[in-house]
Amino acid sequence: AQSVTQLGSHVSVSEGALVLLRCNYSSSVPPYLFWYVQYPNQGLQLLLKYTTGATLVKGINGFEAEFKKSETSFHLTKPSAHMSDAAEYFCAVSSYTGGFKTIFGAGTRLFVKA
Amino acid sequence: SQTIHQWPATLVQPVGSPLSLECTVEGTSNPNLYWYRQAAGRGLQLLFYSVGIGQISSEVPQNLSASRPQDRQFILSSKKLLLSDSGFYLCAWGQDGGNTIYFGEGSWLTVV
Repeated sequence: AQSVTQLGSHVSVSEGALVLLRCNYSSSVPPYLFWYVQYPNQGLQLLLKYTTGATLVKGINGFEAEFKKSETSFHLTKPSAHMSDAAEYFCAVSSYTGGFKTIFGAGTRLFVKA
Repeated sequence: SQTIHQWPATLVQPVGSPLSLECTVEGTSNPNLYWYRQAAGRGLQLLFYSVGIGQISSEVPQNLSASRPQDRQFILSSKKLLLSDSGFYLCAWGQDGGNTIYFGEGSWLTVV
């Protein structure tokens, strides 16, 4: 069985500060890991994903995440927050069970202060 | 390129009324299709997924059902809505054999 835990339902940073959103996963098979972003009243947009290969993954809007198997983590970072980064972020894990099934964390809402 | 659309975008329905939300995907064939629900302030709950026409897997017991009458069409239904069915419903698709899913715009359902 798979599960995803996002630490912190709300994170607040100042504009220009480091963004760190935490995600830990549980999976019985090698996982595929994702981060999605959701702006108010919209669907989810894929930020980045880890499937195989390089453990540091770069995504859109300057975000990146590092897969650490020993820590079962996939934390999302951005060196310098921008006001437009304010949104809800979801970590997700996917595995194949007759078709890929993706399970999401509860989400972390990011607030960016001027 | 592939696109996904779902409608209606917003729906207000009385308790006990039926529901039909529709989702279609364009630009691909034999996609995997998914329905998720996002309750206010909560994460996404997988409701149904489908790997082919007429093949539906239900993830949680509930008041809803899903159907896939055509390859790229996925419908979420209910015969009688409950207040607890209120939420933001998201349709998603993935390539057959692919590990990434892509979301539609979402449908807001308010049951009153």
